[in-house]
Amino acid sequence: GQNIDQPTEMTATEGAIVQINCTYQTSGFNGLFWYQQHAGEAPTFLSYNVLDGLEEKGRFSSFLSRSKGYSYLLLKELQMKDSASYLCAVTDSNYQLIWGAGTKLIIKP
Amino acid sequence: GAVVSQHPSWVICKSGTSVKIECRSLDFQATTMFWYRQFPKQSLMLMATSNEGSKATYEQGVEKDKFLINHASLTLSTLTVTSAHPEDSSFYICSARSGGSDYEQYFGPGTRLTVT
Repeated sequence: GQNIDQPTEMTATEGAIVQINCTYQTSGFNGLFWYQQHAGEAPTFLSYNVLDGLEEKGRFSSFLSRSKGYSYLLLKELQMKDSASYLCAVTDSNYQLIWGAGTKLIIKP
Repeated sequence: GAVVSQHPSWVICKSGTSVKIECRSLDFQATTMFWYRQFPKQSLMLMATSNEGSKATYEQGVEKDKFLINHASLTLSTLTVTSAHPEDSSFYICSARSGGSDYEQYFGPGTRLTVT
């Protein structure tokens, strides 16, 4: 079956760095997305990785290792507004998005 | 960036009635649109995928006669929840994809449905 695993919840301190991991097992791979979702709102796009390596975009970076079926989202200089759920999603061989359950990130002052 | 709108943003209806939710791609043509449902503190659950001009493909366990999806144009898809019941109360989110080399899904803001 298809499976995406990410931690349920993480806590970090304002100004710090946090890494959210995602491992996946899917039938085929056509890219991995990270989305941010605040409570009661729709997801918003953060990053897309299709090749191995690190993609940096401001305070957020995303890494992919296809051979290991592994990705992480790195958030630097954490701000209170970063408190949200972070969703990992993989596009399979049929270009369907397979979603992880999301990681709820709690930022403390 | 690509913008997707949903209407209404929230709706309250009585049990047994039907509710229609619209999803529009405002600045691009959406060859494929997706409908998701999300219950509190849970992840997105894909309900169905629709391509313009063809019947929607429903995920296992989703009743196609209860959740009617129409994707009549490249910019509009509708989801009609028929004979709604309190257990249908949820956050319904649509997303759209333009196709080609762009595989990102652009999400609408969601519709909060409460059935009383």
